[in-house]
Amino acid sequence: AQTVTQSQPEMSVQEAETVTLSCTYDTSESDYYLFWYKQPPSRQMILVIRQEAYKQQNATENRFSVNFQKAAKSFSLKISDSQLGDAAMYFCAYRLEGGSQGNLIFGKGTKLSVKP
Amino acid sequence: ETGVTQTPRHLVMGMTNKKSLKCEQHLGHNAMYWYKQSAKKPLELMFVYNFKEQTENNSVPSRFSPECPNSSHLFLHLHTLQPEDSALYLCASSLHSGQGSGGEKLFFGSGTQLSVL
Repeated sequence: AQTVTQSQPEMSVQEAETVTLSCTYDTSESDYYLFWYKQPPSRQMILVIRQEAYKQQNATENRFSVNFQKAAKSFSLKISDSQLGDAAMYFCAYRLEGGSQGNLIFGKGTKLSVKP
Repeated sequence: ETGVTQTPRHLVMGMTNKKSLKCEQHLGHNAMYWYKQSAKKPLELMFVYNFKEQTENNSVPSRFSPECPNSSHLFLHLHTLQPEDSALYLCASSLHSGQGSGGEKLFFGSGTQLSVL
C-alpha cells in the first residue's frame, strides 16, 4: 500500500528566509503524481505545486520549488523568501497514475510558522 | 475564493439528529468529492461523484449518505452519528474524475467543522 510520510510536524522560518519541508512516500509503482497542498487558517486546501513522476525536472511555481528524488522516494518543498501569508499547514500527497483524480494519499501535514 | 462553497461552516449535532452538509461549485467541473479530516490523521477520501453518479465509496458507514442532484451540488446527509465522526468535512471538485486526465488540480471548499455530542 502507498504511504506518505511527513516527518516534521512543525517548522518555523523567519520572514524572507528559505525553508524546506520534507516528504517521503512509499510505492512500488513507476507512474504517479505528487502534490503539495497548503491549508491556511481559512481551512481551504490550495494546490501549491505538483510533479509528474516521469518528469526528471523539478517543478517550480514562483517562490515554491520541489526537490524530487524518485529513487529515494523523496519530494521536499522549498519555500524561498518566506512571507507571513505562507503560514499554514502543508500537506504532501500522492496519486497513482490511472486512479481517480481525488484518490490522493495525504501525509499528516507540517505546520509552518513564519516569524516577522 | 476558489469557487467551491460549503455550508454550514460549523455544525454541532447530537447523536440522534439528522443534518445535511452542502457543497456548491460553479467552476463547470464534472467531478465532486467528500473528504474527512480528523485531528492528527491524514485526509481521507470518502466519496467520488462523476457527472452526478457515485463512482467511489471508500467503505464509509451508512450513517453518511451522499447525494448529488447535479454536477454543481453535492450533499452529505448525516444521521445517528457517533462522537468519533467529529471532524472537518471538506468538499472538492475537479474538471474530470477519471483516469488518464493527468494530475489535475482539486479545488477545495473551506469545510464544515462538525462536532457530534
